[in-house]
Amino acid sequence: DGGITQSPKYLFRKEGQNVTLSCEQNLNHDAMYWYRQDPGQGLRLIYYSQIVNDFQKGDIAEGYSVSREKKESFPLTVTSAQKNPTAFYLCASSIVAESYNEQFFGPGTRLTVL
Amino acid sequence: AQSVTQLDSQVPVFEEAPVELRCNYSSSVSVYLFWYVQYPNQGLQLLLKYLSGSTLVKGINGFEAEFNKSQTSFHLRKPSVHISDTAEYFCAAKVQGAQKLVFGQGTRLTINP
Repeated sequence: DGGITQSPKYLFRKEGQNVTLSCEQNLNHDAMYWYRQDPGQGLRLIYYSQIVNDFQKGDIAEGYSVSREKKESFPLTVTSAQKNPTAFYLCASSIVAESYNEQFFGPGTRLTVL
Repeated sequence: AQSVTQLDSQVPVFEEAPVELRCNYSSSVSVYLFWYVQYPNQGLQLLLKYLSGSTLVKGINGFEAEFNKSQTSFHLRKPSVHISDTAEYFCAAKVQGAQKLVFGQGTRLTINP
């Protein structure tokens, strides 16, 4: 079955530590996205990538970093510079060529900073 | 600037009653519009989308939405809800030619027996 997987489902981190969230897709999509979800704030875009080895900052990129070495993978690192990292993180992908850009979402990772 | 506003943060309804979740967008150019559903601790699933053509769009699980260009609205409706419709619903918009989706704040739908 094609889809998007995120791991781990739950992640706990001590203050001052970097942590990497995994996102893998087998949909053969060119574009991938990372969102942060906080209660009552909807989804906010962190980073997105339209092609391998290229990515752009979204609306709230500070304190985060990404890489896109393979088409299937788009890991997100939450660095110690992110002041309030506790949130639900969602990865998505879409076919860049389609103008309506429907996005497919993974199941999410809930990050808690202790 | 493009924005999406969901007018109700929470909507409680009784089972088998009709429901409408409101969404307004602002954009100076043509947009594509989407409704997504999120069940607890899960990702988002597409309910329906408006690209062009007929302003009444039918989606999964008995939901439909109507695009109203003059009122810049894209309200989601279901004639009779079920307990299993309890979830959070997100409206989203994308300017034609752009890559970024802009999401509303979400509406939590609670179905009471």
